[in-house]
Amino acid sequence: QVQLVQSGAEVKKPGASVKVSCKASGYTFTSYTMHWVRQAPGQRLEWMGWIIAGNGDTKYSQKFQGRVTVTTDTSASTAYMELSSLRSEDTAVYYCARSSYGYMDVWGKGTTVTVSS
Amino acid sequence: QSALTQLASVSGSPGQSITISCTGTSSDVGGHNYVSWYQQHPGKAPKLMIYDVSNRPSGVSNRFSGSKSGNTASLTISGLQAEDEADYYCSSYIGSILFGGGTRLTVL
Repeated sequence: QVQLVQSGAEVKKPGASVKVSCKASGYTFTSYTMHWVRQAPGQRLEWMGWIIAGNGDTKYSQKFQGRVTVTTDTSASTAYMELSSLRSEDTAVYYCARSSYGYMDVWGKGTTVTVSS
Repeated sequence: QSALTQLASVSGSPGQSITISCTGTSSDVGGHNYVSWYQQHPGKAPKLMIYDVSNRPSGVSNRFSGSKSGNTASLTISGLQAEDEADYYCSSYIGSILFGGGTRLTVL
C-alpha cells in the first residue's frame, strides 16, 4: 500500500540544522510532488515547501526561504527536508505529504523536532 | 499570504449536521477550485477528506461534503458521530499552499 515513512525524533540545539527523511513506497515516486508541513504544539498546520520529485523543482514558503532545503533521492524514493539555524520556535512535528495537484492525499506520521539548549 | 480564516470551534450533537467555513480572498479560495479539507485527530497526521472543493477521496464517508460560494468554502458533516470529533483544516493551493487556522469540532 502507499505509505510514507519518516525518520525518528530529533533533539537539536539552537543554531543547529536538522534533516528529516521521508521514504515513499507503493507508488511511482517521481510521478508526484512531495510537500513538507509542520505543526508547532497546539498550533495550526504550516506549509513549508514542495518538491516535484520528477524533476527536482522546488518552491518554498517565504517564511522559510533561505533556511529550508527540500531534496530527493529518486533511487531511494526518499525526500528530505533540511532546516537550518534552528531556534526554539522551530520545535514542531514535521510532516511529509504526497500531492497530486494542490491537495495532499497521503501523509507521513510525522517527525518530532525539539530545539532546546 | 495570510492564513485562511476559520472559526476556532464548533459543536454539535450526534446525528446533527454542522458546517465549517473557511474564508479567503479572490486570490486564493475565490479564484479557483483547489480547495481541500483535512481532518486531524489528536496526535495523528492529517487525513484528506475533501479535494477540489467538493470531491471525496475513496474511503471517506459520504457524510462529508464540500462546497464553495465566492471567497468562502464550506465543509458539511451530516449525521454527526463521536469519531468525527477532531480538528479540521481547509487549504487552498495557489502555487504555494495556504492553510486555515483550524476548527475544533466537539461532538456533544
